[in-house]
Parts: sequence; C-alpha cells; structure tokens
Amino acid sequence: DGGITQSPKYLFRKEGQNVTLSCEQNLNHDAMYWYRQDPGQGLRLIYYSQIVNDFQKGDIAEGYSVSREKKESFPLTVTSAQKNPTAFYLCASSIRGDRTGGRDTQYFGPGTRLTVL
Amino acid sequence: GQQLNQSPQSMFIQEGEDVSMNCTSSSIFNTWLWYKQDPGEGPVLLIALYKAGELTSNGRLTAQFGITRKDSFLNISASIPSDVGIYFCAGWKYGQNFVFGPGTRLSVLP
Repeated sequence: DGGITQSPKYLFRKEGQNVTLSCEQNLNHDAMYWYRQDPGQGLRLIYYSQIVNDFQKGDIAEGYSVSREKKESFPLTVTSAQKNPTAFYLCASSIRGDRTGGRDTQYFGPGTRLTVL
Repeated sequence: GQQLNQSPQSMFIQEGEDVSMNCTSSSIFNTWLWYKQDPGEGPVLLIALYKAGELTSNGRLTAQFGITRKDSFLNISASIPSDVGIYFCAGWKYGQNFVFGPGTRLSVLP
C-alpha cells in the first residue's frame, strides 16, 4: 500500500528531553511537511522540504529541527527549547506543483500525539 | 500565515439530511482540497479540485471549485452517523504552501 507512515502513534517525553518523530512516505513525492495541530486550532506549518537535502522554516519553527537525507524520510525533532510541545503532529507529502503543471495535492499521515510530562 | 475562512464552524444535523459547507479566501487558488479528520487521526483526502467551475463527486460527497477561484463548496447528501468528524478545506497556488481552513465540525443526530 502506498502512503505515509508516522511513528510512534503516542509519545511521552519528560521536560528537557529532545524527541524525534518519524515520517516515511512511499508515494515518491518530492515535498514533505510537518504540521502541528492543537485543540480548537487549525494546522500550523512547522517545516517543509521541497527536495532532498533542503528544507525551509514554516510559521512556527522555533524549538524544532528537521533533516531530509532521503526522499522518503523527513524526521522531526522536538527539542527542549520548544516551550509547549504537547500537541498532535502531522506529517504530509505532495508531488510539488511545479512538476505537475500547476496543480498539487497533499496527503497526510496518521499523526503522532506527543505529551510532555 | 494566511488561513481560509470556513463556515459553518459547526453543525448538528439529523441522519438523512443533506449538508453544505463552504470555504472562502481573499486570494485565488489553483487547487482546492477537502479533507475529513476523525478524532486522533490524520486528515483523509476526500476530493481534489483543479479547475475553476469544476464539480467533482465522491460517493455522497460533491465539491465545487468556485468560478472566482476564491471559494469552494462541499455537499454531503443523505448524511449517516459515520459522516461525523471535522471537515477541512485547503487551497494551493503556484509558488506558495498549502493554506487550510479551521474546519467545520459535523455532528449527526440519530
């Protein structure tokens, strides 16, 4: 089955610890994204990557870091500098609009719920 | 970042009723997407629209890409209990990231 996988589904972290969330896709998509979702709020973009070995900050990048060493993988590290890390984290991917004649479609993974104790 | 306007914010309907919701923007888009999200799960893509005026169906769901390219509509016919969830719209235009609406929370009463 083609799709996006995120692991783990639930993650608990002590204050002051870094934690890495996994995201893998086998859709052969160029672009990958990380969003944060809080209760009653919309999706907020943390980081995105349009191509391997390159990524850009989104609207709320502070306290987070990413890497894009492989096309299919885009892990997110939540560092101890993130002041309020408890949230639902969503990874997504898309083909990239400049490769499809000006249209793009984004698909989401199942999400990881991070709780800081 | 920019966010789309989505209405209604929430709705309570009787099973079997039809549902309409919409999404508006001050900007034009090349793509409109509609998702459904269940509690604790990731959004699932329902319908993708790529052309102004386009009308696309997926089972009991029908969505339209507004002629002005600044809005989109989603209709659900003959609602059933499993339609409960949050429906998100998203817009995309060349050279920019996806923009999302805050969601419409749908509750279906038996």
